Amino acid sequence: DIQMTQSPSTLSASVGDRVTITCRASQSVSSYLAWYQHKPGKAPNLLIYDASHLETGVPSRFSGSGSGTEFTLTISSLQPDDLATYYCQQYYSHSNGWTFGQGTKVEI
Amino acid sequence: QVQLQESGPGLVKPSETLSLTCTVSGYSLSRGYYWVWIRQPPGKGLEWIGSIYQSGSTFYYNPSLKSRVTMPVDTSKNQFSLRLSSVAAADTALYYCARDRLPHPGKTAFDLWGQGTMVTVSS
Repeated sequence: DIQMTQSPSTLSASVGDRVTITCRASQSVSSYLAWYQHKPGKAPNLLIYDASHLETGVPSRFSGSGSGTEFTLTISSLQPDDLATYYCQQYYSHSNGWTFGQGTKVEI
Repeated sequence: QVQLQESGPGLVKPSETLSLTCTVSGYSLSRGYYWVWIRQPPGKGLEWIGSIYQSGSTFYYNPSLKSRVTMPVDTSKNQFSLRLSSVAAADTALYYCARDRLPHPGKTAFDLWGQGTMVTVSS
């Protein structure tokens, strides 16, 4: 299966900071990559799909980039509501199965 | 507005079969979309379990769980289910049902999730 590795595992930042999370795939997943925000007690929320497309209703301070094996999620100006764990997920091949990164916890 | 709601026992004994149901409201699941199960063990990340298309014509399971998983669909009740056999403590997790972002088969993310239901495997 395709392994997804996120870094860092935990990130501490201040309100207004620019935050970047990296996700690396063990083999190319083209642009078949999503980012989710997950808050405790709530369902995960899709932020970015196809590596760089912003899901409807998601604030424009979130952006995604990358292709192949390296991807980034950027929050341009961190807000208190962004306290959450963020996951990347590849959906390149059914035969390999869809896999998630281990998550990055963002602390304010 | 389409909504998903998981239901099922919160406690399952080791070696038994875990059975959960996801009820879909606001959309007929037989019309389209892949319908999905995902889980999150306590303190760990998300794990995709499997996806099934419409009324079950096509399905994909996580290779690591494939031998123990089935995902039946009941179109009359607009529900899809998860059956995980021979459970062990490692199957203790928060189980989510979800939906693909696009209604036709293809490579896409999950745009709609249920709230999740906790299942503990213990005697």
